Amino acid sequence: GAVVSQHPSRVICKSGTSVKIECRSLDFQATTMFWYRQFPKQSLMLMATSNEGSKATYEQGVEKDKFLINHASLTLSTLTVTSAHPEDSSFYICSASLQGTAGNTIYFGEGSWLTVV
Amino acid sequence: GNSVTQMEGPVTLSEEAFLTINCTYTATGYPSLFWYVQYPGEGLQLLLKATKADDKGSNKGFEATYRKETTSFHLEKGSVQVSDSAVYFCALSGSILHQGGKLIFGQGTELSVKP
Repeated sequence: GAVVSQHPSRVICKSGTSVKIECRSLDFQATTMFWYRQFPKQSLMLMATSNEGSKATYEQGVEKDKFLINHASLTLSTLTVTSAHPEDSSFYICSASLQGTAGNTIYFGEGSWLTVV
Repeated sequence: GNSVTQMEGPVTLSEEAFLTINCTYTATGYPSLFWYVQYPGEGLQLLLKATKADDKGSNKGFEATYRKETTSFHLEKGSVQVSDSAVYFCALSGSILHQGGKLIFGQGTELSVKP
């Protein structure tokens, strides 16, 4: 079945550095991917919609210059957290939408734990 | 705007107890409704879904019925197991947005099942 993979699953970075998280659709093409953020014990909040070949659409309150999203191919979207700070430590998870005749099916990646020290 | 509200957790049950996790929503149009489960340290897995009013989604003994009149999608299971311990998220995909796959999540309900 369709699979979405994220990498890395866990990353620790120093404050002020940048870190990139990849989201891949392994056996289908995804024109649209979504990036969510989840703080401990809280729900998932949509950060942005990643569109292949065009600029991402960010949700209100999400800094587009801090959370850079690139969707360069139909199977890969990347989220780069620039100049990371401890408050950026969170669980980031992506999803990809597979279009079918009966509508869309949404597949989630395994998520990436980011710790900024 | 669209929103989802779940009952607060944590919910602690004994094995074989009956489970209900309440979920209500606010949406324009005809949304699709989902339940996702997140096991400790893992990502999200789709548990079940319903795409129109009166639909019942079911999977692994869990079920939920899309009730438009009460704008609800409560999750139920007749007999829970220790392995059901996880966080459960109710989610909504608006009818206009459904073609894109954008989801709005409830706050999640942690379930702990004791042997």
